[in-house]
Amino acid sequence: EDQVTQSPEALRLQEGESSSLNCSYTVSGLRGLFWYRQDPGKGPEFLFTLYSAGEEKEKERLKATLTKKESFLHITAPKPEDSATYLCAVQAGGNNNDMRFGAGTRLTVKP
Amino acid sequence: NAGVTQTPKFRILKIGQSMTLQCTQDMNHNYMYWYRQDPGMGLKLIYYSVGAGITDKGEVPNGYNVSRSTTEDFPLRLELAAPSQTSVYFCASSYSFPSGGGNNEQFFGPGTRLTVL
Repeated sequence: EDQVTQSPEALRLQEGESSSLNCSYTVSGLRGLFWYRQDPGKGPEFLFTLYSAGEEKEKERLKATLTKKESFLHITAPKPEDSATYLCAVQAGGNNNDMRFGAGTRLTVKP
Repeated sequence: NAGVTQTPKFRILKIGQSMTLQCTQDMNHNYMYWYRQDPGMGLKLIYYSVGAGITDKGEVPNGYNVSRSTTEDFPLRLELAAPSQTSVYFCASSYSFPSGGGNNEQFFGPGTRLTVL
């Protein structure tokens, strides 16, 4: 069965302290891996799509990378406004539209 | 351009009652989705639609029904509400399936917080 596991569950950083969030996945034929940001009381907001191992994408202080078993979301010199829950999701080859989400990593950046 | 809108924002139901969660998008997207999110858990796909008149089950469809009569609207129907359906419900839309490349990202609505007592 397709599975997505995110770690850590929660992460507290000081402003400027870089770190990485992990998303491990087990799927039969990865079609795409997605990262979202979710603020409290709001719907997820799309960040990145990665399609194949070795692919990398960047947006401001965020950089997402992909291997055959996991993806990392690297946060460089985070600011308090980066505080949110970051969700990872995968779309497997068996069903074009079935998305499986991880439970998320709750990031808090202290000033 | 309002994006994806959902109503109501909050609702409390009694066990056995029924209700419809409304979802509308104004981006002319073909694909629409319903997810539920339980505390500390990831989103789980309930139903999705690839166009008007076409719907299909996701990971957790039991206890729910959907219809898609127009491109813009994708209501979710709860029949005989149960405490296990207490959750936050998110509607989303995309132009095509998300892993299709290009700008096929999912846009999410603000959610409906449902409590069944």
